[in-house]
Amino acid sequence: EVQLVESGGGLVKPGESLRLACTTTGLTFRNAWMSWVRQPPGEGLEWVGRIKSKSDGGTIDYAAPVKGRFTISRDDSQNTLYLQMNSPQTEDTAVYYCATLYNAYVYYFDYWGRGTLVTVSS
Amino acid sequence: EIVMTQSPATLSVSPGERATLSCRASESVSSNLAWYQQKPGQAPRVLIYGASTRATGLPARFSGRGSGTEFTLTISSLQSEDFAVYYCQQYNNWPLTFGGGTKVEI
Repeated sequence: EVQLVESGGGLVKPGESLRLACTTTGLTFRNAWMSWVRQPPGEGLEWVGRIKSKSDGGTIDYAAPVKGRFTISRDDSQNTLYLQMNSPQTEDTAVYYCATLYNAYVYYFDYWGRGTLVTVSS
Repeated sequence: EIVMTQSPATLSVSPGERATLSCRASESVSSNLAWYQQKPGQAPRVLIYGASTRATGLPARFSGRGSGTEFTLTISSLQSEDFAVYYCQQYNNWPLTFGGGTKVEI
């Protein structure tokens, strides 16, 4: 059974930093294309970014609102995905989900974690 | 970026009735469209991908149609567990984008 578990959320002040982690089990993580998706309270879903598997080049792409502030990385030895949030702003307040992309050619999200809430407030 | 527009925002239906949800893309996404269901406090789960392929184990009362820019998700006979928010997502182009959601309520 595939499981994704996010951690690291909480209250952070604007301009401070926070790192989220997503630990995975039940999948061949090193082959997985991984993404972060967020959902502000009471709102819809927004793709944050994606990291390819290393065998597919390991390329990372970000949504425009977070580019230059957030960094996605992966540790295949630990089956873990990370999201480093630098200089978060109040509009970054959301539940952050990690999710797997179906494969290298088909980009819907087939497995999701339960999410971790990040609140950016002074 | 491709903008996905869902309608209606809220759909009020009774158990046993048919529900039809719409999703429109600002440009063609071919058949690269997925539908998700999200219940309160839960993560989304994929229902349909490739515009019309049901995810493993999904009841046959759920069906998806469309291609290009116009898509529909139909729930033929609503069950109590189907009351939720539904999102469409295009995966034809980066960035991946979602519609704003349709809340199906009693």
